[in-house]
Amino acid sequence: AQKVTQAQTEISVVEKEDVTLDCVYETRDTTYYLFWYKQPPSGELVFLIRRNSFDEQNEISGRYSWNFQKSTSSFNFTITASQVVDSAVYFCALSEAGYGGATNKLIFGTGTLLAVQP
Amino acid sequence: EAGVAQSPRYKIIEKRQSVAFWCNPISGHATLYWYQQILGQGPKLLIQFQNNGVVDDSQLPKDRFSAERLKGVDSTLKIQPAKLEDSAVYLCASSSDRVGSYEQYFGPGTRLTVT
Repeated sequence: AQKVTQAQTEISVVEKEDVTLDCVYETRDTTYYLFWYKQPPSGELVFLIRRNSFDEQNEISGRYSWNFQKSTSSFNFTITASQVVDSAVYFCALSEAGYGGATNKLIFGTGTLLAVQP
Repeated sequence: EAGVAQSPRYKIIEKRQSVAFWCNPISGHATLYWYQQILGQGPKLLIQFQNNGVVDDSQLPKDRFSAERLKGVDSTLKIQPAKLEDSAVYLCASSSDRVGSYEQYFGPGTRLTVT
């Protein structure tokens, strides 16, 4: 069965600190997709990144970076030099490849609340 | 490009009453999803449409929840009768059916409180 575990419920850091959010997943499929979403206090889920199971290359986008390791079934997210605006709940999610290229449902973790103090 | 639209943003009802939520996906997106997010949890899929056909409704409580997507564009989710445990945020999302476009884009959600 598919499952996503985000063991860190809450993390509090001081502005400019680096922070890593952990994500561990379980799936029996060989083709799958991993996602990170941000949910600020306004409530809307904001897409951050998608990773394919066949592409383990790490990715960096500005202050954000993602480390995908199939050997440990992990897809961790690092924010460098955190800012107050990064305060939000971050969700890791998993989906299988669907027919016709459309994604199936997202299986979400329970989220990590990141609080960045000024 | 306009995002996913949802209404209402907030709704308070008493248990056993009925309620309906509306969603308009991003233009051209063939797949539409309804998720339920209970406080402190990640969203959970209720139903997924591909155009106007149902792809997955395995977690939809069909005795009280119903959804439709007429004409393959906007969608309505209904709860009748509501229970206290239905208090949650109901999120609508949509995605393109183009190969390689697997991202789901979410609307602002409808926060439902059942008293």
